[in-house]
Amino acid sequence: QSVLTQPPSVSGAPGQRVTISCTGSSSNIGAGYNVHWYQQLPGTAPKLLIYVNNNRPSGVPDRFSGSKSGTSASLAITGLQAEDEADYYCQSYDSSLGGSGGFYVFGTGTKVTVL
Amino acid sequence: QLQLQESGSGLVKPSQTLSLTCAVSGGSISSGGYSWYWIRQPPGKGLEWIGYIYHSGSTYYNPSLKSRVTISLDRSKNQFSLKLSSVTAADTAVYYCAGGEGRGDYWGQGTLVNVSS
Repeated sequence: QSVLTQPPSVSGAPGQRVTISCTGSSSNIGAGYNVHWYQQLPGTAPKLLIYVNNNRPSGVPDRFSGSKSGTSASLAITGLQAEDEADYYCQSYDSSLGGSGGFYVFGTGTKVTVL
Repeated sequence: QLQLQESGSGLVKPSQTLSLTCAVSGGSISSGGYSWYWIRQPPGKGLEWIGYIYHSGSTYYNPSLKSRVTISLDRSKNQFSLKLSSVTAADTAVYYCAGGEGRGDYWGQGTLVNVSS
């Protein structure tokens, strides 16, 4: 199972703001490792949404923003739109996994529903 | 802009070896700074890292799969490969290849591998 915990689902009406939490520990987010976020639309491959905690790749609307504090990170979507309905995953690195020093991990995933 | 494309068998029998290849275009897999990843997603479930290989050829595997996984580079064909041995039904998933700097900057479209007799 994942060491990064996300809420299974969040929902909001069009135009509203929703946030998705990604809770880790002292061996991953709390250790200073970067957090990245992905959006996965139904039936498609994940797409990088936020990298290195709070940076948007070219083409990602500024409605999406990321933050990190302590052992957790958050993704915020402001001005929620119908096309934002998707699964969202956080990703980081955990130094406690395996015998060779650590490994990458995904969060458990969150389904965003636009009401 | 890098493009990645997975290929390989979509049906593998239990106990056999799953083999997939990821062709990279728009850049060299030998370029410094990038790692090349294999990630999978069982039907209806979340994402799982399988392993990755640096441009240098160093490999790192998910501890839970380490004994069954091999990832390799083929610089002459600008592609990298995954082999997963002794598969069971639990290995049925969409398999993605990806590339980036400690994250999935670029992804293939994914390929469904079904483990069944």
